[in-house]
Amino acid sequence: EDQVTQSPEALRLQEGESSSLNCSYTVSGLRGLFWYRQDPGKGPEFLFTLYSAGEEKEKERLKATLTKKESFLHITAPKPEDSATYLCAVRSNTGGFKTIFGAGTRLFVKA
Amino acid sequence: DGGITQSPKYLFRKEGQNVTLSCEQNLNHDAMYWYRQDPGQGLRLIYYSQIVNDFQKGDIAEGYSVSREKKESFPLTVTSAQKNPTAFYLCASSESHRRRTEAFFGQGTRLTVV
Repeated sequence: EDQVTQSPEALRLQEGESSSLNCSYTVSGLRGLFWYRQDPGKGPEFLFTLYSAGEEKEKERLKATLTKKESFLHITAPKPEDSATYLCAVRSNTGGFKTIFGAGTRLFVKA
Repeated sequence: DGGITQSPKYLFRKEGQNVTLSCEQNLNHDAMYWYRQDPGQGLRLIYYSQIVNDFQKGDIAEGYSVSREKKESFPLTVTSAQKNPTAFYLCASSESHRRRTEAFFGQGTRLTVV
């Protein structure tokens, strides 16, 4: 069965304290792994798409990487405005090209 | 600006009442989606549409209905058959359901049963 697990559920950092969020997945035929940022009461905002193991994407303080079993979202020197829930999703070749979302990691960055 | 507009932002439903959530997109996307988000859970797919006049059930379609009469619009009706409708509802669109493209989301509708 296809599934996506994100860890940790919540992460508290001091401003400037770099860390990583994990997304582990089991899927039959990966057609893409997506990272989104979601602020409270808002819709998810697209960040990155990764398609194959070894691929990396960067945007400001965020860097996403992909292996055959997991993806990491690295946050370098975070600021309070990076506080949000980060969602990971994978699209599978099976089940009508279904996209499966993880439950998210809530990130809190304290000044 | 291109995007997805959901309305209303907040909606209150009485027991036994049907309510309709609106979703409009001006991105010229073929595919549209409805998700439900509950605390501590990943987004769950309710219905999706790959093209006008076509739609398929997702993982939790019971108690919901949709239509896709226009490319831009994909309204969701929450019927009285949905036993636990209180949730945050998200509409999304993508260029194509089959291509490996990302989805773009609206700002959501929070539905509460009173």
